[in-house]
Amino acid sequence: GNSVTQMEGPVTLSEEAFLTINCTYTATGYPSLFWYVQYPGEGLQLLLKATKADDKGSNKGFEATYRKETTSFHLEKGSVQVSDSAVYFCALSDLDSGGSNYKLTFGKGTLLTVNP
Amino acid sequence: DTGVSQDPRHKITKRGQNVTFRCDPISEHNRLYWYRQTLGQGPEFLTYFQNEAQLEKSRLLSDRFSAERPKGSFSTLEIQRTEQGDSAMYLCASSLGTASVKLFFGSGTQLSVL
Repeated sequence: GNSVTQMEGPVTLSEEAFLTINCTYTATGYPSLFWYVQYPGEGLQLLLKATKADDKGSNKGFEATYRKETTSFHLEKGSVQVSDSAVYFCALSDLDSGGSNYKLTFGKGTLLTVNP
Repeated sequence: DTGVSQDPRHKITKRGQNVTFRCDPISEHNRLYWYRQTLGQGPEFLTYFQNEAQLEKSRLLSDRFSAERPKGSFSTLEIQRTEQGDSAMYLCASSLGTASVKLFFGSGTQLSVL
């Protein structure tokens, strides 16, 4: 079945440092890829997505590029802030028998702590 | 858009008791999902509905679990004869349409089984 593997956390950075959180996936077909973020005490929310190979998703300074050849979707940010402290989840969309996206499979999550 | 709401936020119960959780999706969303999340893990898919039809159930959903979505609006998740292993955060999410899986999540119901 489909699966997502994220780098183990926790990740601790100083403010303004460069962030990379690695994500690789195993899937049949051509799923869409997502990063979700969970801030302390809040529900998961979509951070960015990419729907096909070589697409780049971006939001709030975060970026990730759908790399089909390496089955990866690494999350990057050039300069993190204290407010970016959260748990980040990589996810892919499973496809139903008709080839349509219908549910998400998540990685285990990576806790990011940014210190001032 | 009031978001996805879940009730209760927290539930403490004794082993063997039945519990029921409620989820109210975003009003125009036709798809509704239930996920379970344990500490240090990502959300795990349990089941989903398209309108009132339950289209898939994970093997994680034992026969003690049942979910309904009458009239394609709110949904309930019931766990019968709870076990300590059922302790987890139960998340509800909804989405619009069939082409997109942009899920909007609720804040979850934290279940503790003593």
